[in-house]
Amino acid sequence: QKEVEQNSGPLSVPEGAIASLNCTYSDRGSQSFFWYRQYSGKSPELIMFIYSNGDKEDGRFTAQLNKASQYVSLLIRDSQPSDSATYLCAVTGNQFYFGTGTSLTVIP
Amino acid sequence: DAGVIQSPRHEVTEMGQEVTLRCKPISGHNSLFWYRQTMMRGLELLIYFNNNVPIDDSGMPEDRFSAKMPNASFSTLKIQPSEPRDSAVYFCASSFGASGGYEQFFGPGTRLTVL
Repeated sequence: QKEVEQNSGPLSVPEGAIASLNCTYSDRGSQSFFWYRQYSGKSPELIMFIYSNGDKEDGRFTAQLNKASQYVSLLIRDSQPSDSATYLCAVTGNQFYFGTGTSLTVIP
Repeated sequence: DAGVIQSPRHEVTEMGQEVTLRCKPISGHNSLFWYRQTMMRGLELLIYFNNNVPIDDSGMPEDRFSAKMPNASFSTLKIQPSEPRDSAVYFCASSFGASGGYEQFFGPGTRLTVL
């Protein structure tokens, strides 16, 4: 079992819709959770982080964390073509792990 | 701030040759990470340093790989001898903090091709 699991996709949503990206992790001691966006041929860049159970909103992005279920998600509201990228979930505790990423395509 | 700087951006070499990748972290950051990214395995942490000291090198694939951080502003990742399966994009990242609990800023990466 991988430490961080993501559905590789590809996930396609129409412009203006909500995109939902999911991530599960195996280490119950994990403390910090990050979502990175990576455009093709570019390096990952942080878009959200969350430490506590519940929701955290930043503009069109909402991160959701459920430590009991070992589950973290990212919602993108009013999806734009510029959101088309690979989204990487990262989890830290004793070690630091990235998921393999979910490819998102927003269709105009 | 110029961000994390990596060189070279592209490297093409032949099997058996030595490859050295270089990284300059963001000034003031005290943690530095080396990652390898491939389509098959995604982003893998190879090694990370805190205050120039290697903390976790469990991701280094084998003895052919070595990493150093002689000072706070410079790190190298060396592969000797290189093999075709080492072909990947290698990222360096830095953060302010003693562990991965802080945002990591990534460099542009080095695309390595071993023929």
